[in-house]
Amino acid sequence: AQSVSQHNHHVILSEAASLELGCNYSYGGTVNLFWYVQYPGQHLQLLLKYFSGDPLVKGIKGFEAEFIKSKFSFNLRKPSVQWSDTAEYFCAVIGSSNTGKLIFGQGTTLQVKP
Amino acid sequence: EAQVTQNPRYLITVTGKKLTVTCSQNMNHEYMSWYRQDPGLGLRQIYYSMNVEVTDKGDVPEGYKVSRKEKRNFPLILESPSPNQTSLYFCASSLGSYNSPLHFGNGTRLTVT
Repeated sequence: AQSVSQHNHHVILSEAASLELGCNYSYGGTVNLFWYVQYPGQHLQLLLKYFSGDPLVKGIKGFEAEFIKSKFSFNLRKPSVQWSDTAEYFCAVIGSSNTGKLIFGQGTTLQVKP
Repeated sequence: EAQVTQNPRYLITVTGKKLTVTCSQNMNHEYMSWYRQDPGLGLRQIYYSMNVEVTDKGDVPEGYKVSRKEKRNFPLILESPSPNQTSLYFCASSLGSYNSPLHFGNGTRLTVT
């Protein structure tokens, strides 16, 4: 069955620290991958997405993610976090043969200390 | 402005009292979906709809109903709510192809006592 696992549930960083959030998925076929962000009290917003092509994708606000097919991973990175990056981050996967089901990971809460 | 609108934002009800959470989108999206968000569990899909009159179960459909009589609306119905349905609910929509990102509503926080 299709599944998504985010390894870090709660991450605390100081401003200017580098960030990497892990995401692994389980699916046997072609996938599309997403990272969504949820700022406190708000709805989810798309951060970035991977469909095909260059496995290193860049999103909004300086975030990027790398798709490593052999590792079934899609880790999110940012070289230098800001206090405003405090939010919950969700990795999501949809398989090409399962067009209706977008599966989310459990989420990672990022707290950035000023 | 392109948006997904959910109502109400907050709802407190009692066990067994039927309720409906409305969801409407103004982007002419074919695909709509309902999720519930619970701490430590992320977002779990309740139901989704690929188009008008086409609905399908997600991962946690028990205790919920949906309908898609028109493209813009996708209400979530709880016929007999129970306390384990206390959660934060999100409606979302997209163009419909599997590489279309979701647009989310602002959420409905439901408490069932």
